[in-house]
Amino acid sequence: EIVLTQSPGTLSLSPGERATLSCRASQSVSSSYLAWYQQKPGQAPRLLIYGASSRATGIPDRFSGSESGTDFTLTISRLEPEDFAVYYCQQYGSSPETFGQGTKVEIK
Amino acid sequence: QVQLLESGPGLVKPSQTLSLTCTVSGGSISSGTFYWSWIRQPAGKGLEWIGRIYASGRTNYNPSLKSRVTISVDTSKNQFSLNLSSVTAADTAVYYCARDSGYDPDYFDYWGQGTLVTVSS
Repeated sequence: EIVLTQSPGTLSLSPGERATLSCRASQSVSSSYLAWYQQKPGQAPRLLIYGASSRATGIPDRFSGSESGTDFTLTISRLEPEDFAVYYCQQYGSSPETFGQGTKVEIK
Repeated sequence: QVQLLESGPGLVKPSQTLSLTCTVSGGSISSGTFYWSWIRQPAGKGLEWIGRIYASGRTNYNPSLKSRVTISVDTSKNQFSLNLSSVTAADTAVYYCARDSGYDPDYFDYWGQGTLVTVSS
């Protein structure tokens, strides 16, 4: 199965700053089938991005995704107070789909 | 707006079978092309896909759990269910049901709120 490694483990930033989160796959992810989720304490994950760069319905345009080979990036252009959370990447290019271990974005 | 709600015992004894049900509202399980999945998350850890089912009853399971997992569907009740046998403390987690967009494998666009299941005697 494909292993996804997210970095950094924790990102300490201030509101208004730019956040760059990384997700590296252990092998090629078929057809850019990578998604990003946001999870807040006590809540279910929320889909942000699918297909590496397509925003899900209702997701603000400050969230963007990109890819370069087996490296995927989630960028939050200007952090809002509600963006401080844990973010997970997930590949669905091959079965079983797998998730990264998460990056926590915390208030500095 | 599709909504999913998990239900079932919050405490299961070791070696027994964990049983959960997901009730879907705002849409019919048997309409459309969606698959319906179970995903779990141990406390403070990442997410693990368990398996999925289609309205027809077709299933696909994570190989790491396949020998212990059964997912079934009841279209008349708009529900699907998870059975996980021979549980141990390692199966303690929040269990989520989710909808994916209709492929296998897939991403998940709607999630239930999750239910905590603790395995303990």
